[in-house]
Amino acid sequence: DQQVKQNSPSLSVQEGRISILNCDYTNSMFDYFLWYKKYPAEGPTFLISISSIKDKNEDGRFTVFLNKSAKHLSLHIVPSQPGDSAVYFCAASPSGTYKYIFGTGTRLKVLA
Amino acid sequence: SAVISQKPSRDICQRGTSLTIQCQVDSQVTMMFWYRQQPGQSLTLIATANQGSEATYESGFVIDKFPISRPNLTFSTLTVSNMSPEDSSIYLCSVVRLADSYEQYFGPGTRLTVT
Repeated sequence: DQQVKQNSPSLSVQEGRISILNCDYTNSMFDYFLWYKKYPAEGPTFLISISSIKDKNEDGRFTVFLNKSAKHLSLHIVPSQPGDSAVYFCAASPSGTYKYIFGTGTRLKVLA
Repeated sequence: SAVISQKPSRDICQRGTSLTIQCQVDSQVTMMFWYRQQPGQSLTLIATANQGSEATYESGFVIDKFPISRPNLTFSTLTVSNMSPEDSSIYLCSVVRLADSYEQYFGPGTRLTVT
């Protein structure tokens, strides 16, 4: 049973436009969420986080939105750059455990 | 964030052998974890490495297959024992420092191929 789902395996976006990556979860006990970017042959790089007490968190070009009632979160990248081309993972954890369940990833390709 | 290194970065091993992967962090961290990423799949938590005591394993992972040590706050090892081709994966260590809240940082990974 996949508790964290990223239903789009891939996404292509023009440079300068917005990239929106989606993530759905099923476990209502999850209350902390992370987004990671992963290049081939490297470990995941932490991007941005959000806790369940917020519905939005922003860091530069990256914004994460959380809709608790829909059990849905999304990562917005504006403007998208070719260097953003990578696989993006969302991850979720119940409070206090630090144990994250990862989604299956979305491969983003930003076209120059 | 913490700087994390892993050794080896990659290896090709024969079935039936064992490989020990090292994870070194540049500063003391609260928690260390080991993950696996099988080809084309997501990251799966293997276990929490506990300092000075036995690791805590997730469902589907056992100590005999994946013995883990954590002798201090900056170092841990994961051994993949009696390997089979199904163990071919990327193995990643990750760390949490309470000062960083819930953020978890990953090492570069060890790519293991079992033939």
